[in-house]
Amino acid sequence: GQNIDQPTEMTATEGAIVQINCTYQTSGFNGLFWYQQHAGEAPTFLSYNVLDGLEEKGRFSSFLSRSKGYSYLLLKELQMKDSASYLCAVLDSNYQLIWGAGTKLIIKP
Amino acid sequence: DTAVSQTPKYLVTQMGNDKSIKCEQNLGHDTMYWYKQDSKKFLKIMFSYNNKELIINETVPNRFSPKSPDKAHLNLHINSLELGDSAVYFCASSLMGQITDTQYFGPGTRLTVL
Repeated sequence: GQNIDQPTEMTATEGAIVQINCTYQTSGFNGLFWYQQHAGEAPTFLSYNVLDGLEEKGRFSSFLSRSKGYSYLLLKELQMKDSASYLCAVLDSNYQLIWGAGTKLIIKP
Repeated sequence: DTAVSQTPKYLVTQMGNDKSIKCEQNLGHDTMYWYKQDSKKFLKIMFSYNNKELIINETVPNRFSPKSPDKAHLNLHINSLELGDSAVYFCASSLMGQITDTQYFGPGTRLTVL
């Protein structure tokens, strides 16, 4: 079966750094997405990785290791507005998007 | 201007009823999607629609039917609603239907079936 694993919930402090991990087991791989979803709102795109390595975009970075079936989203200089769920999604060999259940990130002052 | 809009935002209805959710995108995108997000927050794709080609997730009951009057609209019609249909339904669109394209989501429709 296809599986995407993320921690259910994480807590971090304003101004700190947090790393949200995602491991996947899918039939093939054609890329991995990270989306942010605030409570009661729609998901919004953060990043797309298809090659190994780190991609940095402002305060957010995303890392991929295809051999390990692993990705992480790194959030720096955390702000209260970063409190949200972070969804990992993988494109399988049929170009179907398989979604994780998301990691709820709670930021404390 | 809202890029992807859905109506209604909230829908409460009785079991057995038929209802529709409308979706419109003004991004000029070629592909539109419907997702269901259940209480456990899993997003599951239901349909994608690109240039009149409909791709259906085989796990979706045939009580659900998408209708696309034009490229900018993809409505979701649900017959004989069941309690298990209660969820948040998201419409999304992407530029060219390549699944690697960024998907832009609508605000969601929270459906409650009583």
